[in-house]
Amino acid sequence: NAGVTQTPKFRILKIGQSMTLQCTQDMNHNYMYWYRQDPGMGLKLIYYSVGAGITDKGEVPNGYNVSRSTTEDFPLRLELAAPSQTSVYFCASSPPTGGDGTDTQYFGPGTRLTVL
Amino acid sequence: DAKTTQPTSMDCAEGRAANLPCNHSTISGNEYVYWYRQIHSQGPQYIIHGLKNNETNEMASLIITEDRKSSTLILPHATLRDTAVYYCIVRIKAAGNKLTFGGGTRVLVKP
Repeated sequence: NAGVTQTPKFRILKIGQSMTLQCTQDMNHNYMYWYRQDPGMGLKLIYYSVGAGITDKGEVPNGYNVSRSTTEDFPLRLELAAPSQTSVYFCASSPPTGGDGTDTQYFGPGTRLTVL
Repeated sequence: DAKTTQPTSMDCAEGRAANLPCNHSTISGNEYVYWYRQIHSQGPQYIIHGLKNNETNEMASLIITEDRKSSTLILPHATLRDTAVYYCIVRIKAAGNKLTFGGGTRVLVKP
């Protein structure tokens, strides 16, 4: 299994441009997440999905959109890039919560985005 | 989810045990204690979790006090590759399984 893969690894955008960050997992996990991490800070949840066709907002959803048409893919869309969106973006997935809380989240390697 | 308090940073000698404390005095009965770590420039990595009992796996041990208000992650024989930020997270079993990351403890393992 490749686990969670993210593309691209790096990207520089100009203000106002748009782009899609790709995330794919091959573990057949129901749950998928998008986090952002600003320099020196912890991760903050942007959006999450509990299954294909179902998404919900996290802590910092403004400026982003997501879709979940398949179990494997969970792309994150930036429509009008702003300098405040300069960050490292991590995608994660996890199986449904088991009775003992065994719902480990598996993270991808991240996408480093700079908006100038 | 309950809030956690961790020291900002700590150093550890290579080959020695690293003991990472975490306070979670407002933890509720159905909240688990999770530990993740993040090595520089990588995605976070799950280490261990527990509810009441002490837990051990191939990476670490987790000691939870009887009143569950604090816990300690133990890396038995720290290596240079254990240098990372370690996050203590307490959370309930809920739809979405969100993780709330605080500041964590920055651990530097020195030769």
